[in-house]
Amino acid sequence: GQQVMQIPQYQHVQEGEDFTTYCNSSTTLSNIQWYKQRPGGHPVFLIQLVKSGEVKKQKRLTFQFGEAKKNSSLHITATQTTDVGTYFCAGQETSGSRLTFGEGTQLTVNP
Amino acid sequence: DGGITQSPKYLFRKEGQNVTLSCEQNLNHDAMYWYRQDPGQGLRLIYYSQIVNDFQKGDIAEGYSVSREKKESFPLTVTSAQKNPTAFYLCASSLYRGYEQYFGPGTRLTVT
Repeated sequence: GQQVMQIPQYQHVQEGEDFTTYCNSSTTLSNIQWYKQRPGGHPVFLIQLVKSGEVKKQKRLTFQFGEAKKNSSLHITATQTTDVGTYFCAGQETSGSRLTFGEGTQLTVNP
Repeated sequence: DGGITQSPKYLFRKEGQNVTLSCEQNLNHDAMYWYRQDPGQGLRLIYYSQIVNDFQKGDIAEGYSVSREKKESFPLTVTSAQKNPTAFYLCASSLYRGYEQYFGPGTRLTVT
């Protein structure tokens, strides 16, 4: 079955440093979604990418979908303590099929 | 105020007892999901439902059961057959399967 892998599993940064998490699928995806889970909280939807090579920005967050639609990345510029949490990607093989979540990247930001 | 509610937030049970976790949504979403999350782990799908009176097993359905008698409600029963039930359980819904998912606040179940 479809597998979605994320690296790294953990990332510790100093406030102000950049951060990137990578997501790789074993199969070509129809779309990919990103979620953020704050410590002790629940996942919250951030964004969905659909097109090959798509790049979307949300303030300091930049999301990319690979040309082959098998990988994606989330880059945070100049991290802040409010960025702390676990970031999950979730891939969908075909439109309407189930989402498969990656294991997440846990980000810690030292002030 | 639209959203997903889960109750209770914390639940303690003795081994051998069945326990039912509540999940209600007023978003008028067709699809609902149950996930299990263990410390430092990702989300593992237990069951999902695309419409009322229909549900499908996810990756780790053994020891769990669900029902979907109403669109708004998708309760999860953790049975005594579940070998290691202590975990954080998250319910989610989406307009249709594959759309963005909205998660409830979760229930932390401890079985001793």
